[in-house]
Amino acid sequence: EDQVTQSPEALRLQEGESSSLNCSYTVSGLRGLFWYRQDPGKGPEFLFTLYSAGEEKEKERLKATLTKKESFLHITAPKPEDSATYLCAVQALAGGTSYGKLTFGQGTILTVHP
Amino acid sequence: DTGVSQNPRHKITKRGQNVTFRCDPISEHNRLYWYRQTLGQGPEFLTYFQNEAQLEKSRLLSDRFSAERPKGSFSTLEIQRTEQGDSAMYLCASSLAIPGQRTDTQYFGPGTRLTVL
Repeated sequence: EDQVTQSPEALRLQEGESSSLNCSYTVSGLRGLFWYRQDPGKGPEFLFTLYSAGEEKEKERLKATLTKKESFLHITAPKPEDSATYLCAVQALAGGTSYGKLTFGQGTILTVHP
Repeated sequence: DTGVSQNPRHKITKRGQNVTFRCDPISEHNRLYWYRQTLGQGPEFLTYFQNEAQLEKSRLLSDRFSAERPKGSFSTLEIQRTEQGDSAMYLCASSLAIPGQRTDTQYFGPGTRLTVL
């Protein structure tokens, strides 16, 4: 069964203090690894898709990287508006062309203080 | 582009009552997914459709839950005989699946928060 574990569960940073969030995964075959941001009371907002080990994607202050067993979301010089829950999810290879469901981790709650 | 919409946004019901939620996907998206999220957890897959065909259901989905997508556009999720354990945020997502592409990107709606008293 596919499993995703995120750490830490919560992270408090000062504005400008860079850090990383971890996502460890176990999947029979990885089709894609996804990062989402979720604000309180809202649905997840798509950030990145990573497909293979060594791949990196960047967006503003966020950079996602992927290895064969884990992914990191690096946050450089965060601002208070980066405060949110960050969710990692995997989509597994399936038989034929069928693919679909995402298996999510529990998320990391990021709080950035001014 | 109006995004994925869900109605109602909030629903409070008494145990034993039936409830129905609606999801309108992004236009031209052929896949529609339902997830459930409880406090402090990530979304948990329930079921998904490609056009009007229901392709997969989670084994966690009891027979009290039923979903439809009759014309391949909007979808409804019905919960019969609700229980307090059904209290959660119900999320809908849609995507465009194209043959030969590596994967589809799922875009989520705002969710329907269900409280069962």
